[in-house]
Amino acid sequence: QVQLVESGGGLVKPGGSLRLSCAASGFTFSDYYMSWIRQAPGKGLEWVSYISSSSSYTNYADSVKGRFTISRDNAKNSLYLQMNSLRAEDTAVYYCARARYYYDSSGYYTTGPPGAFDIWGQGTMVTVSS
Amino acid sequence: QSALTQPRSVSGSPGQSVTISCTGTSSDVGGYNYVSWYQQHPGKAPKLMIYDVSKRPSGVPDRFSGSKSGNTASLTISGLQAEDEADYYCCSYAGSYTSVFGGGTKLTVL
Repeated sequence: QVQLVESGGGLVKPGGSLRLSCAASGFTFSDYYMSWIRQAPGKGLEWVSYISSSSSYTNYADSVKGRFTISRDNAKNSLYLQMNSLRAEDTAVYYCARARYYYDSSGYYTTGPPGAFDIWGQGTMVTVSS
Repeated sequence: QSALTQPRSVSGSPGQSVTISCTGTSSDVGGYNYVSWYQQHPGKAPKLMIYDVSKRPSGVPDRFSGSKSGNTASLTISGLQAEDEADYYCCSYAGSYTSVFGGGTKLTVL
C-alpha cells in the first residue's frame, strides 16, 4: 500500500547535526513533490521544506533556511532532510508528506506545493538538548 | 510566514454540527483556493480531510465539508460522532512555494 516511513531521529546536542530519511512505497515517488513538516511537543504543525519531483527546486521555512537541506533519491524512493546547527526549538516530530496533484489556474493537473498533503509518514522524533 | 488563526477549542454533542474557522490574509487563504484540513488523533499522524477548500478525499465521510469566504476558511462537521474528537489543522498555500498551517483546534465531543 501507499506508505511513507521516516527514520533517523534521535537526541542531539545544540549545534549538532542529524539526517532524517523517508522511505516511500506503493506509488511512483518520482512523480510527486515531497515535503517535511514538523510538530513541536504539544504544539501545532509547521511546514518546513518542499522539494520538486526532479530535485530542481527546493524551498524552506524562514525558521530553518540556511541550516536544513532537503534532498531526494528517486532511484531509492527516498527523501532526506539534513539538519545542521540544530537548536532547542528544532525539537519536534518530523513528518514527511506527499503533495497531491492539483489543478492549477490553467486547468492543468500537476504536482506542486499548492497540492494538499495526502500521504503522511508516522513521524520521527528529534530532540535537541544538552 | 505567520500561522493561520484557528480557535483553540470547540465542542459539540453527538449528532450536532460544529464549525472551525481558519483566518489568514490575502497572501494565503484569501489569495488561493488551496486550503486543506487535517485531522490528528493523539499520537497519530495527521490525516487529510478536505483539500482545495471543499473537496473530500475518497473515504472521508460527507459529514465533513469545507468552505471559504474572503480570508477565512471553515470546516464544518455535521452529525458529530465520538470518533471525530481530535485536533484539526487548516493549511493554505501561501505563494512562492510555501505553505502555512493554522495553530490547531481541539474538538471535544461532549
